[in-house]
Amino acid sequence: NAGVTQTPKFQVLKTGQSMTLQCAQDMNHEYMSWYRQDPGMGLRLIHYSVGAGITDQGEVPNGYNVSRSTTEDFPLRLLSAAPSQTSVYFCASRPQGAEAFFGQGTRLTVV
Amino acid sequence: EDQVTQSPEALRLQEGESSSLNCSYTVSGLRGLFWYRQDPGKGPEFLFTLYSAGEEKEKERLKATLTKKESFLHITAPKPEDSATYLCAVPGGADGLTFGKGTHLIIQP
Repeated sequence: NAGVTQTPKFQVLKTGQSMTLQCAQDMNHEYMSWYRQDPGMGLRLIHYSVGAGITDQGEVPNGYNVSRSTTEDFPLRLLSAAPSQTSVYFCASRPQGAEAFFGQGTRLTVV
Repeated sequence: EDQVTQSPEALRLQEGESSSLNCSYTVSGLRGLFWYRQDPGKGPEFLFTLYSAGEEKEKERLKATLTKKESFLHITAPKPEDSATYLCAVPGGADGLTFGKGTHLIIQP
């Protein structure tokens, strides 16, 4: 049972480039979400999904897009990377009403 | 707006020296409080869920308690392997979690 799998683990982008952070879970959880973690800021919610075809914005959604075409996958797209998006990104999934399980993170640097 | 405040920001203890970490929260209707452990370079790892005031949960050297305004994570006779950042979180308005900034715990041998 792999749990929540994120790829890549590390990425360096140039300003203006686009990319997709992948997240997959094999626990058949309805709820999935993306967070970013910055020093002194804690974990902040970017986008979330309550099921396939349903997504919504969290606390810091600007500059990011998501889609949820299957229960298993919840990719996060950076449309035009900016240095302010340098961060560690975590994907999480959970069943309704229960605790969240996190992936190992993607460390993104935008230069 | 939901708020979660953790204290202290950092704590250094000697091996075997017991202490407590605090998590104060302000939410409109508590739907659970979660404790996580995070090791450097890793994702948060779930420890406990507490749902009602007076509830307690234990796991090895850790015990979590909950009141109407705060939660404590008690660490009894800690070992160096307990060194980590401990996070608490509550379900937010959006369907995600509102996290505190964490307590960075170092246990010295």
